[in-house]
Amino acid sequence: ETGVTQSPTHLIKTRGQQVTLRCSSQSGHNTVSWYQQALGQGPQFIFQYYREEENGRGNFPPRFSGLQFPNYSSELNVNALELDDSALYLCASSLERAGFKQETQYFGPGTRLLVL
Amino acid sequence: GDSVTQMEGPVTLSEEAFLTINCTYTATGYPSLFWYVQYPGEGLQLLLKATKADDKGSNKGFEATYRKETTSFHLEKGSVQVSDSAVYFCALSDHAGGTSYGKLTFGQGTILTVHP
Repeated sequence: ETGVTQSPTHLIKTRGQQVTLRCSSQSGHNTVSWYQQALGQGPQFIFQYYREEENGRGNFPPRFSGLQFPNYSSELNVNALELDDSALYLCASSLERAGFKQETQYFGPGTRLLVL
Repeated sequence: GDSVTQMEGPVTLSEEAFLTINCTYTATGYPSLFWYVQYPGEGLQLLLKATKADDKGSNKGFEATYRKETTSFHLEKGSVQVSDSAVYFCALSDHAGGTSYGKLTFGQGTILTVHP
């Protein structure tokens, strides 16, 4: 059983550019959530994908978007990068089942993004 | 909205000392509660969880009890080791109001340093 993997591990971009981060969910999991963790802070929920559709969203602007693929892997896209987007981006996978309470989320190692 | 408050850090202890990290929460429904640990340069690892009132989560010598009356989920360990040095995050997941997804809401994290 493989855990959650993310790529790339580190990334440097300049303001105004666009970035795509990738996540492969843990085997058997059907839901992917993305979080932004600024330095010295707790992670903040960006959005969640379930059955290839956005299933919930936190307080992030539309320039943060995502995709989920049939194999449950996911991408996070950020357009028009700003300096404040510099953070660790964490992906978490879980198994969601209708009528059951939130299953535990398992995190990947993260992608560290630096915007200059 | 939901929120999690952790005790102010950082916490510095000697090896074999007793550890308590306080966590209190506010939520509109009946959340599940979690403790995650983050080692330097890594993602989040689930340490323990509790899904209903009076449940006790435990793992690797760490324990936390879900106290609904005091809305708390304090983390304890009887004898810490140098290898326990990390950042500890308290989190909740809430399905209040019939939401179809369970996002995690995190506290700000508590840095623990254990000296030999």
